[in-house]
Parts: sequence; C-alpha cells; structure tokens
Amino acid sequence: NAGVTQTPKFRVLKTGQSMTLLCAQDMNHEYMYWYRQDPGMGLRLIHYSVGEGTTAKGEVPDGYNVSRLKKQNFLLGLESAAPSQTSVYFCASSSETSGSSYEQYFGPGTRLTVT
Amino acid sequence: AQRVTQPEKLLSVFKGAPVELKCNYSYSGSPELFWYVQYSRQRLQLLLRHISRESIKGFTADLNKGETSFHLKKPFAQEEDSAMYYCALRWSFQKLVFGTGTRLLVSP
Repeated sequence: NAGVTQTPKFRVLKTGQSMTLLCAQDMNHEYMYWYRQDPGMGLRLIHYSVGEGTTAKGEVPDGYNVSRLKKQNFLLGLESAAPSQTSVYFCASSSETSGSSYEQYFGPGTRLTVT
Repeated sequence: AQRVTQPEKLLSVFKGAPVELKCNYSYSGSPELFWYVQYSRQRLQLLLRHISRESIKGFTADLNKGETSFHLKKPFAQEEDSAMYYCALRWSFQKLVFGTGTRLLVSP
C-alpha cells in the first residue's frame, strides 16, 4: 500500500515550457487535492476534485489546469510555466466518509523550479 | 473569510522545556481544527485533530472557541519533535485552509 505517490520528485523548467505532475493514490479515496507550498505562505490549495471526472478551483488556480479521468489519478498541468510557479507541490487525498475524520493523506512532494 | 494564523515562524527551545505553538483562526461556522507535522525529508502527516481530543506523541491541543485558538502544547520537548508544524481549519466539504507554519527547533 503505497498511499499517495507523486511523479516526478524534481523538475527544472524554462519559462514558457509546459509539464504535467502526476498524483496517484491507492486508498480508493474520493477527494484529491493539489497544494503549493511556499516559504512564509504555508500550503495553498490550487485545485481539488470530489470525484472522477470532476474538478474545482481552489485558492490559487491561475496558471494551472487539472484532470481526474480516473479515480486514483489527479494530474496538475502547467501550460506555460512562469518563475512565480517555482514551488513545492503536494498532492493529497481523503475519504468522504465522516468516520475518517476528514484526514488528508499527503504525497512526498514535487520540487519545481522555473528559470 | 476563513483564516488561520500562526504568529511564530520559528520557535526554538531546549530539550525538556515546555512547548506551545500558537494557532488562531477566523471562521463564521463551526470549526474543525487539525495540526499537521512535517519532519525533515518526510511528507506532511496528521498529528492530531480537535474532535478526537487525543494526545499524540505527548502533544495536546484544546479548541478555545472564545479565544478562537487551537494552540499545540507539550510539557517536555524532545529533539525528535523538531519539525514544521501547520495548523489547519476544515471548511466547505473537506477543504482545508492552512496557517503559514511554525518551525520548532529543539536543541539538546
């Protein structure tokens, strides 16, 4: 049981390049999230999904797109990377059942640098 | 709007000293609060949640609705407690809003 995994672990992009970050979970969780972590700003929600085929905007969605074609996967895309998107990206998942106390399970993170 | 404030970026204590990491929140609804911890080179993980009123690794946190606070406490800090601590508020479905985090450094 791997929990939440993220690919890649590190990436360096040039301004204007595109890339996709992959998140996978094997806990059959309904909800999935993408956060970015920046010094002094904590974690901020980019996009989230409440189920397969559905996505919604979070606190800082501009410049990102997401897709949830399969329940276990949640993709985060950067169409045209900017230096302001240099950050550590975390994926998380959670179960919809109240008995889980809404705990979010996090992946190990992807460190992205845009030059 | 919902907001979580952690006023201290860094808290440095000696081993065996008491620790209190401050967290204040702003939310118009009924709050559900959590503490998450991130040890060096590890992923973020849940430490404790107010609803279960539990003690994990010697840490406790009490929700004070009057003061809108959820401070994390431990009577005797250990070196292995050194980590980044985030307070989080659950709102709307299962979305969390996080504070900016407090780095706890426990020196021998």
